[in-house]
Amino acid sequence: QSALTQPASVSGSPGQSITISCTGTSSDIGGYNYVSWYQQHPGKAPKLMIYEVSNRPSGLSNRFSGSKSGNTASLTISGLQAEDEADYYCSSYTSSITLVFGGGTKLTVL
Amino acid sequence: EVQVVESGGGLVQPGGSLRLSCGGSGFTFSDYNMNWVRQAPGKGLEWVSYISSGSRTMYYADSVKGRFTISRDNAKNSLYLQMNSLRAEDSAVYYCARFGGSYHIDYWGQGTLVTVSS
Repeated sequence: QSALTQPASVSGSPGQSITISCTGTSSDIGGYNYVSWYQQHPGKAPKLMIYEVSNRPSGLSNRFSGSKSGNTASLTISGLQAEDEADYYCSSYTSSITLVFGGGTKLTVL
Repeated sequence: EVQVVESGGGLVQPGGSLRLSCGGSGFTFSDYNMNWVRQAPGKGLEWVSYISSGSRTMYYADSVKGRFTISRDNAKNSLYLQMNSLRAEDSAVYYCARFGGSYHIDYWGQGTLVTVSS
Protein backbone atom coordinates (compact mmCIF):
# COMPACT_ATOMS: atom_id res chain seq x y z
CA GLN A 1 0.00 0.00 0.00
CA SER A 2 2.54 2.61 -1.11
CA ALA A 3 1.43 6.22 -1.05
CA LEU A 4 0.82 8.07 -4.29
CA THR A 5 3.62 10.48 -5.26
CA GLN A 6 3.03 14.23 -5.10
CA PRO A 7 5.50 17.13 -5.18
CA ALA A 8 6.21 18.39 -1.67
CA SER A 9 5.49 21.98 -2.60
CA VAL A 10 4.31 24.24 -5.39
CA SER A 11 3.90 28.00 -5.51
CA GLY A 12 2.32 30.67 -7.65
CA SER A 13 1.33 34.30 -7.66
CA PRO A 14 -2.24 35.55 -7.36
CA GLY A 15 -4.07 35.20 -10.64
CA GLN A 16 -1.72 32.57 -12.01
CA SER A 17 -2.48 28.88 -12.58
CA ILE A 18 -0.71 25.97 -10.96
CA THR A 19 -0.87 22.21 -11.43
CA ILE A 20 -0.22 19.54 -8.83
CA SER A 21 0.62 16.06 -10.07
CA CYS A 22 -0.14 12.75 -8.40
CA THR A 23 1.57 9.61 -9.68
CA GLY A 24 0.51 6.06 -8.93
CA THR A 25 0.44 2.74 -10.71
CA SER A 26 -1.84 0.67 -12.89
CA SER A 27 -3.24 -0.83 -9.67
CA ASP A 28 -4.65 2.49 -8.51
CA ILE A 29 -4.76 5.69 -10.59
CA GLY A 30 -4.15 3.97 -13.91
CA GLY A 31 -6.73 1.28 -13.32
CA TYR A 32 -9.72 3.24 -12.09
CA ASN A 33 -11.40 6.60 -12.56
CA TYR A 34 -11.72 7.01 -8.80
CA VAL A 35 -9.20 9.77 -8.19
CA SER A 36 -10.16 12.50 -5.75
CA TRP A 37 -8.48 15.63 -4.39
CA TYR A 38 -8.73 17.25 -0.96
CA GLN A 39 -7.77 20.66 0.37
CA GLN A 40 -6.66 21.02 3.98
CA HIS A 41 -6.02 24.28 5.79
CA PRO A 42 -3.90 24.16 8.97
CA GLY A 43 -5.76 22.70 11.90
CA LYS A 44 -8.81 21.91 9.80
CA ALA A 45 -10.35 18.76 8.37
CA PRO A 46 -9.77 17.98 4.71
CA LYS A 47 -12.35 19.18 2.19
CA LEU A 48 -13.33 17.38 -1.00
CA MET A 49 -12.41 19.38 -4.11
CA ILE A 50 -12.53 16.88 -6.98
CA TYR A 51 -13.93 13.35 -7.29
CA GLU A 52 -13.96 10.74 -10.05
CA VAL A 53 -10.93 12.43 -11.65
CA SER A 54 -12.64 15.61 -12.82
CA ASN A 55 -15.97 16.18 -11.06
CA ARG A 56 -16.48 19.11 -8.71
CA PRO A 57 -18.82 18.93 -5.73
CA SER A 58 -21.84 21.19 -5.96
CA GLY A 59 -20.99 24.81 -5.21
CA LEU A 60 -17.24 24.49 -5.63
CA SER A 61 -15.46 27.10 -7.70
CA ASN A 62 -14.74 26.15 -11.32
CA ARG A 63 -11.22 27.45 -10.77
CA PHE A 64 -10.46 23.92 -9.60
CA SER A 65 -10.22 21.18 -12.23
CA GLY A 66 -8.88 17.64 -12.40
CA SER A 67 -7.58 15.32 -15.09
CA LYS A 68 -5.78 12.01 -15.55
CA SER A 69 -3.38 10.51 -18.05
CA GLY A 70 -2.16 6.97 -17.56
CA ASN A 71 -0.93 6.54 -14.00
CA THR A 72 -0.79 10.27 -13.25
CA ALA A 73 -3.60 12.53 -12.10
CA SER A 74 -3.45 16.31 -11.93
CA LEU A 75 -5.20 19.11 -10.07
CA THR A 76 -5.16 22.54 -11.69
CA ILE A 77 -6.08 25.70 -9.85
CA SER A 78 -6.58 28.74 -12.05
CA GLY A 79 -6.80 32.37 -10.98
CA LEU A 80 -4.90 31.67 -7.76
CA GLN A 81 -6.24 33.41 -4.67
CA ALA A 82 -4.71 33.87 -1.24
CA GLU A 83 -7.28 31.53 0.32
CA ASP A 84 -6.11 28.69 -1.93
CA GLU A 85 -2.94 28.45 0.16
CA ALA A 86 -3.25 25.05 1.83
CA ASP A 87 -2.13 21.43 1.66
CA TYR A 88 -3.58 19.33 -1.14
CA TYR A 89 -3.91 15.55 -1.14
CA CYS A 90 -4.82 13.19 -3.93
CA SER A 91 -6.33 9.77 -3.34
CA SER A 92 -7.33 6.78 -5.40
CA TYR A 93 -9.19 3.53 -5.09
CA THR A 94 -6.76 0.59 -5.34
CA SER A 95 -6.98 -3.01 -6.40
CA SER A 96 -6.21 -3.92 -2.79
CA ILE A 97 -9.81 -2.77 -2.22
CA THR A 98 -8.63 0.10 -0.12
CA LEU A 99 -8.00 3.79 -0.46
CA VAL A 100 -4.52 5.26 -0.88
CA PHE A 101 -3.50 8.90 -0.41
CA GLY A 102 -0.66 10.94 -1.80
CA GLY A 103 1.94 12.41 0.53
CA GLY A 104 0.46 15.90 0.15
CA THR A 105 1.54 19.11 -1.57
CA LYS A 106 1.91 22.45 0.17
CA LEU A 107 0.64 25.27 -2.04
CA THR A 108 2.10 28.69 -1.34
CA VAL A 109 0.51 31.77 -2.87
CA LEU A 110 3.32 34.29 -3.21
CA GLU B 1 -26.75 19.59 7.42
CA VAL B 2 -24.50 16.54 7.24
CA GLN B 3 -22.28 16.16 10.29
CA VAL B 4 -19.94 13.52 11.61
CA VAL B 5 -18.49 13.99 15.08
CA GLU B 6 -15.72 11.92 16.60
CA SER B 7 -15.01 11.28 20.27
CA GLY B 8 -12.92 9.02 22.45
CA GLY B 9 -9.40 10.19 21.76
CA GLY B 10 -6.85 10.76 24.48
CA LEU B 11 -3.53 9.74 25.98
CA VAL B 12 -2.81 6.01 26.27
CA GLN B 13 0.28 4.02 27.11
CA PRO B 14 2.00 1.79 24.53
CA GLY B 15 0.28 -1.57 24.43
CA GLY B 16 -2.96 -0.07 25.66
CA SER B 17 -6.41 0.13 24.09
CA LEU B 18 -8.79 2.88 23.09
CA ARG B 19 -12.21 2.98 21.46
CA LEU B 20 -13.13 5.82 19.14
CA SER B 21 -16.72 6.70 18.33
CA CYS B 22 -18.30 8.73 15.56
CA GLY B 23 -21.86 9.96 15.38
CA GLY B 24 -23.51 10.85 12.10
CA SER B 25 -26.42 13.24 11.63
CA GLY B 26 -28.19 15.05 8.82
CA PHE B 27 -28.16 11.97 6.58
CA THR B 28 -29.40 8.38 6.54
CA PHE B 29 -26.39 6.82 8.26
CA SER B 30 -27.30 3.26 7.29
CA ASP B 31 -27.09 4.12 3.57
CA TYR B 32 -23.40 5.03 3.60
CA ASN B 33 -20.09 3.23 3.72
CA MET B 34 -17.77 4.75 6.31
CA ASN B 35 -14.05 5.04 6.97
CA TRP B 36 -11.45 6.02 9.50
CA VAL B 37 -8.52 8.09 8.23
CA ARG B 38 -5.65 9.30 10.40
CA GLN B 39 -3.03 12.00 10.24
CA ALA B 40 0.09 11.92 12.39
CA PRO B 41 1.35 15.32 13.59
CA GLY B 42 2.86 17.21 10.67
CA LYS B 43 2.31 14.28 8.32
CA GLY B 44 -0.04 13.32 5.52
CA LEU B 45 -3.33 11.47 5.45
CA GLU B 46 -3.41 7.70 5.91
CA TRP B 47 -6.48 5.57 5.27
CA VAL B 48 -7.02 3.21 8.21
CA SER B 49 -10.22 1.21 7.79
CA TYR B 50 -13.49 0.85 5.86
CA ILE B 51 -16.86 -0.65 6.70
CA SER B 52 -19.77 -1.14 4.32
CA SER B 53 -23.19 0.28 5.07
CA GLY B 54 -24.56 -3.00 6.37
CA SER B 55 -21.34 -4.14 8.09
CA ARG B 56 -20.86 -7.00 5.65
CA THR B 57 -17.41 -5.88 4.53
CA MET B 58 -14.50 -4.44 6.49
CA TYR B 59 -11.02 -3.59 5.26
CA TYR B 60 -7.90 -2.47 7.09
CA ALA B 61 -4.56 -0.89 6.28
CA ASP B 62 -1.68 -3.31 6.73
CA SER B 63 -0.32 -1.06 9.49
CA VAL B 64 -3.31 -1.74 11.76
CA LYS B 65 -4.52 -5.15 10.60
CA GLY B 66 -4.99 -7.52 13.52
CA ARG B 67 -4.91 -4.69 16.08
CA PHE B 68 -7.83 -2.43 15.09
CA THR B 69 -11.47 -3.39 14.60
CA ILE B 70 -14.05 -1.23 12.84
CA SER B 71 -17.75 -1.60 13.59
CA ARG B 72 -20.99 0.34 13.40
CA ASP B 73 -24.45 0.47 14.94
CA ASN B 74 -26.88 1.85 12.39
CA ALA B 75 -29.66 2.04 14.96
CA LYS B 76 -27.51 4.51 16.88
CA ASN B 77 -26.07 6.25 13.79
CA SER B 78 -22.63 5.42 15.12
CA LEU B 79 -19.27 4.22 13.86
CA TYR B 80 -16.54 2.80 16.08
CA LEU B 81 -12.85 1.96 15.98
CA GLN B 82 -11.50 -0.38 18.64
CA MET B 83 -7.74 0.08 18.84
CA ASN B 84 -5.66 -2.50 20.71
CA SER B 85 -1.91 -3.02 21.18
CA LEU B 86 -1.34 0.65 20.48
CA ARG B 87 2.08 1.86 19.41
CA ALA B 88 3.75 5.26 19.37
CA GLU B 89 3.34 5.35 15.60
CA ASP B 90 -0.45 5.17 16.01
CA SER B 91 -0.40 8.67 17.48
CA ALA B 92 -2.48 10.83 15.17
CA VAL B 93 -5.68 12.75 14.64
CA TYR B 94 -8.30 10.20 13.66
CA TYR B 95 -11.02 11.33 11.27
CA CYS B 96 -14.39 9.72 10.75
CA ALA B 97 -15.12 9.98 7.03
CA ARG B 98 -18.19 9.26 4.92
CA PHE B 99 -17.75 7.70 1.50
CA GLY B 100 -19.63 9.45 -1.27
CA GLY B 101 -20.95 7.47 -4.21
CA SER B 102 -17.64 6.26 -5.59
CA TYR B 103 -14.63 5.87 -3.30
CA HIS B 104 -14.28 9.52 -2.41
CA ILE B 105 -14.77 11.01 1.03
CA ASP B 106 -17.44 13.69 0.86
CA TYR B 107 -17.71 14.51 4.56
CA TRP B 108 -15.06 14.50 7.28
CA GLY B 109 -15.36 15.00 11.00
CA GLN B 110 -13.12 17.44 12.84
CA GLY B 111 -10.99 14.61 14.18
CA THR B 112 -10.04 13.25 17.59
CA LEU B 113 -6.44 13.17 18.79
CA VAL B 114 -4.89 9.92 19.96
CA THR B 115 -1.52 10.10 21.68
CA VAL B 116 0.34 6.90 22.51
CA SER B 117 3.08 7.64 25.01
CA SER B 118 4.42 6.50 28.36
